[in-house]
Amino acid sequence: SQTIHQWPATLVQPVGSPLSLECTVEGTSNPNLYWYRQAAGRGLQLLFYSVGIGQISSEVPQNLSASRPQDRQFILSSKKLLLSDSGFYLCAWSGAGVEQFFGPGTRLTVL
Amino acid sequence: ILNVEQSPQSLHVQEGDSTNFTCSFPSSNFYALHWYRWETAKSPEALFVMTLNGDEKKKGRISATLNTKEGYSYLYIKGSQPEDSATYLCAYWGTGSARQLTFGSGTQLTVLP
Repeated sequence: SQTIHQWPATLVQPVGSPLSLECTVEGTSNPNLYWYRQAAGRGLQLLFYSVGIGQISSEVPQNLSASRPQDRQFILSSKKLLLSDSGFYLCAWSGAGVEQFFGPGTRLTVL
Repeated sequence: ILNVEQSPQSLHVQEGDSTNFTCSFPSSNFYALHWYRWETAKSPEALFVMTLNGDEKKKGRISATLNTKEGYSYLYIKGSQPEDSATYLCAYWGTGSARQLTFGSGTQLTVLP
């Protein structure tokens, strides 16, 4: 069966510090991968999606970037965090079907 | 920009009450409509994926209907229990969306014992 992992679960970082969140999927190959964010009081916003290694599409201009160095690995990064980057970050994957499956999420607080 | 709206934004009901909420989405280029249940600090749990106009799906006390011609879906919970307390998200997937979901902002349900 397929599983999706995200880490860390929680993170507190100072403004201006770098960020790296990792997501890995097991039990499937060539998944579509997604990064979402929920900011305080708002819905889920799609940040990036990837249909293959090295292929990243960005949905909104922002202070973040994403990379897919391996088929089942998706990384969300920032060189310098802003206060507005605080939120709950979710990684998700989908296959050939219509369903999308979410990871456990990372709660990021930027102080 | 795709508009997926959910109402109400939040809802408090007593244990045993039945309740329902709405998701509206673009009626053109429809491919699928997803409902998720999302508890705080957990990952969203898929409830239903609906693709056909007139679809009705049921899972225990929760059911959903779909009207793609007018662009809305209803989620119903019969006999609400405190463990139903969560945020319920709908997400629209259009034919031109390159396998992306556009989420509504959710309905936060609190069931009071």
